[in-house]
Amino acid sequence: QAVVTQEPSLTVSPGGTVTLTCGSSTGAVTSAHYPYWSQQKPGQAPRTLIYGTTNKHSWTPARFSGSLLGGKAALTLSGAQPEDEADYYCLLSYSGYALFGGGTKLTVL
Amino acid sequence: EVQLVESGGGLIQPGGSLRLSCAASGFTINNYYVTWVRQAPGRGLEWVSVTYTDSSTSYADSVKGRFTISRDNSKNTLYLQVNNLRVDDTAVYYCARGGDMDVWGRGTTVTVSS
Repeated sequence: QAVVTQEPSLTVSPGGTVTLTCGSSTGAVTSAHYPYWSQQKPGQAPRTLIYGTTNKHSWTPARFSGSLLGGKAALTLSGAQPEDEADYYCLLSYSGYALFGGGTKLTVL
Repeated sequence: EVQLVESGGGLIQPGGSLRLSCAASGFTINNYYVTWVRQAPGRGLEWVSVTYTDSSTSYADSVKGRFTISRDNSKNTLYLQVNNLRVDDTAVYYCARGGDMDVWGRGTTVTVSS
């Protein structure tokens, strides 16, 4: 079975830009993996920000964007806000199953 | 209001069984994929299973053969039957709607302990 990898933690300054990545042990992440990005704040249920690599929900702030970058799925936050401090999880779909990465704890400091 | 509400969690001994519910309101659950996700205390998210609109299902290897999804369309509810529970099944269990996972419930807590 595959393993999905994310940076355990990242720090960004308020107003700064940061890119979170999501890799697969099976090789390059492609649109066929239908990457999702979910945000979870302490004590709350997750909410999905990005699905299908680049698609946003109506509640997804414009400062978040999804892409494929260097064989990985990527979530870029441009103009970080204090309320963006949270855990971020990517989810990749494989044949017959799906896997979350271990999550990235994003600190805005 | 469109929402999902999970229930059925509780404290259960190893080897026991529970039936978790995912009740939909504001939409017809039978028209959507539904994914189950769990989160052990202090840990990350774990994909558990998915059911498609044709009622086909997939399960994580960690739960295959022990967990089963079913639907009750008359109650607009999806169920996750969890059998032969182990201590490492202790988690908050969430259900999420659709291929875009646009609606999540608040979760139900399963604690497996003797």
